Amino acid sequence: EVQLVESGGGLVQPGGSLRLSCSASGFTFSSYSMHWVRQAPGKGLEYVSGISSNGGSTYYTDSVKGRFTISRDNSRTTLHLQMSSLRAEDTAVYYCVNRGGSNSFGYWGQGTLVTVSS
Amino acid sequence: QTVVTQEPSFSVSPGGTVTLTCGLSSGSVSTDYYPSWYQQTPGQAPRTLIYSTNIRSSGVPDRFSGSILGNKAALTITGAQADDESDYYCVLYMGSGTWVFGGGTKLTVL
Repeated sequence: EVQLVESGGGLVQPGGSLRLSCSASGFTFSSYSMHWVRQAPGKGLEYVSGISSNGGSTYYTDSVKGRFTISRDNSRTTLHLQMSSLRAEDTAVYYCVNRGGSNSFGYWGQGTLVTVSS
Repeated sequence: QTVVTQEPSFSVSPGGTVTLTCGLSSGSVSTDYYPSWYQQTPGQAPRTLIYSTNIRSSGVPDRFSGSILGNKAALTITGAQADDESDYYCVLYMGSGTWVFGGGTKLTVL
């Protein structure tokens, strides 16, 4: 059974930093690209960032470029998202997602809430 | 700025059929965008329903189907059930490792 378990969310002040982690199991982690998708309270889903299976390629939505860094540790089957210079508009539930079939998303974690507020 | 458009809301009667659509603010949706669909009930994580236009994800009932209708991607639910009441999101792959979500459609079954 595929499991994706996010951690690291919480309350942070504007301008602060936070590191999210996603522990993966139930599939060959090193063979799958991994992604972060977020959902602001009461809003829709938004693609945030992705990383190729070997970590050689990374992707970011424009609003987080230069502030967020995605990384992975295939030996520990863990995905990370280092977030810095956080803004109120980064407040959201952050979901860890693995690659699905043909340029889609597959399994989703339950999400971790990040709140940016003073 | 690419905008993916979806109906904000839709309603269907139990047992009825409903088609939700996914378009582009400029241009047509084709299979080249690998449209995919996701279902989200309140307080829950999304669930993958359809990928690559019309392929059902594992465990998804066959009352859910995907297609291209005209210049849009479409998700059709045939024989709607009460627990189909959810938010539905489409996603289009824009290439170079980027995806864009639609704003979602809130489906009511009543």
